[in-house]
Amino acid sequence: GAVVSQHPSRVICKSGTSVKIECRSLDFQATTMFWYRQFPKKSLMLMATSNEGSKATYEQGVEKDKFLINHASLTLSTLTVTSAHPEDSSFYICSARHWTGQMMNTEAFFGQGTRLTVV
Amino acid sequence: AQSVTQLDSQVPVFEEAPVELRCNYSSSVSVYLFWYVQYPNQGLQLLLKYLSGSTLVKGINGFEAEFNKSQTSFHLRKPSVHISDTAEYFCAVTYTGGFKTIFGAGTRLFVKA
Repeated sequence: GAVVSQHPSRVICKSGTSVKIECRSLDFQATTMFWYRQFPKKSLMLMATSNEGSKATYEQGVEKDKFLINHASLTLSTLTVTSAHPEDSSFYICSARHWTGQMMNTEAFFGQGTRLTVV
Repeated sequence: AQSVTQLDSQVPVFEEAPVELRCNYSSSVSVYLFWYVQYPNQGLQLLLKYLSGSTLVKGINGFEAEFNKSQTSFHLRKPSVHISDTAEYFCAVTYTGGFKTIFGAGTRLFVKA
């Protein structure tokens, strides 16, 4: 299957700083990428949908100014957690889909996740 | 509203016993259904998926699932589990209208020796 690479896998940052997480599709062009947040022992909550070349669509309750998403190319989307606070500590996972012919691929491919700890 | 319900938060089972993890979703005209496994501090690995066709789907590691449209269910089964199957399992649904994937709350499978 297609490979999605997420970097870094772990990051620790100080409260008040910003952290950028990268999500790359390595062997396909990802027209759409999704960002999820997972709290300990909880499910994945969709934060936003990112389409290449356009603004991200955020889910209800997600602060767009806090979680900046950029999808500047067909292989890279970034999530920046701005002015991070301890409550932003979480596991963040991206996924990517691509067009195959005339329809979007039915399967989303997931990155390995980023464990963010804000101290 | 679109939703996915995994009825059991935890399922303890002895090694070599059969297991079923249950999943129900809110009704919709057309859906794609998935089961993923997640090991600690890792991303998601696709176990199997239902897109169309045969309602019985076979996946990796000996898992299978059956799509039941009338009951809007997609239960995951394995006839004989191993210690290594201990992990978190997520049922996911993609509603073809929007292509967003929604996850259930997860089921922790704990296989005991």
